[in-house]
Amino acid sequence: GAVVSQHPSRVICKSGTSVKIECRSLDFQATTMFWYRQFPKKSLMLMATSNEGSKATYEQGVEKDKFLINHASLTLSTLTVTSAHPEDSSFYICSARVGERAEAFFGQGTRLTVV
Amino acid sequence: AQKVTQAQTEISVVEKEDVTLDCVYETRDTTYYLFWYKQPPSGELVFLIRRNSFDEQNEISGRYSWNFQKSTSSFNFTITASQVVDSAVYFCALSGSMDSSYKLIFGSGTRLLVRP
Repeated sequence: GAVVSQHPSRVICKSGTSVKIECRSLDFQATTMFWYRQFPKKSLMLMATSNEGSKATYEQGVEKDKFLINHASLTLSTLTVTSAHPEDSSFYICSARVGERAEAFFGQGTRLTVV
Repeated sequence: AQKVTQAQTEISVVEKEDVTLDCVYETRDTTYYLFWYKQPPSGELVFLIRRNSFDEQNEISGRYSWNFQKSTSSFNFTITASQVVDSAVYFCALSGSMDSSYKLIFGSGTRLLVRP
């Protein structure tokens, strides 16, 4: 299957700092990438849909200025958590859609802890 | 609106027992896709199966089998002769064609514990 690499896998940062998470499709071009957030023992909640070369589409209730998404190339999307606070601590996971096919592959996830 | 319901929050079985994880979905799309993913404690999502709405054939892959019934909007997952390594959280997900992005909507997940 297609490979999606997410980096870093874990990050601890101080409150007030910003953290960037990268999502790369290694062996295919991904015109569409998705960012999800998962609280402990909860389901995955879609945060935004990222399309290469255009602005991301955010789900209702997700702060655009808080969670900056950039999809500058067909193989890379980034999520920046700005001015992080402890309540932003969570597991963030990306997925990349394979071309026009209705399937997407997931990265390994990033566990963010804000102290 | 699209919705996926996994009513079973946690299931505990003894090794070698069969177990069925339920999934019920709602969608207005005529073309849609259903998925099952496994999430072990390490956190990554492991793809198990994708089924499109036009294919109601049941599928078997080793100890795993899936029962798709459009009449009841269900896509249940059965593990036969469960093993300790099957312990994980299992998510059912739905992707519809009306939203051209094919974003996935996940159920709340079922935590499966297989005891030795």
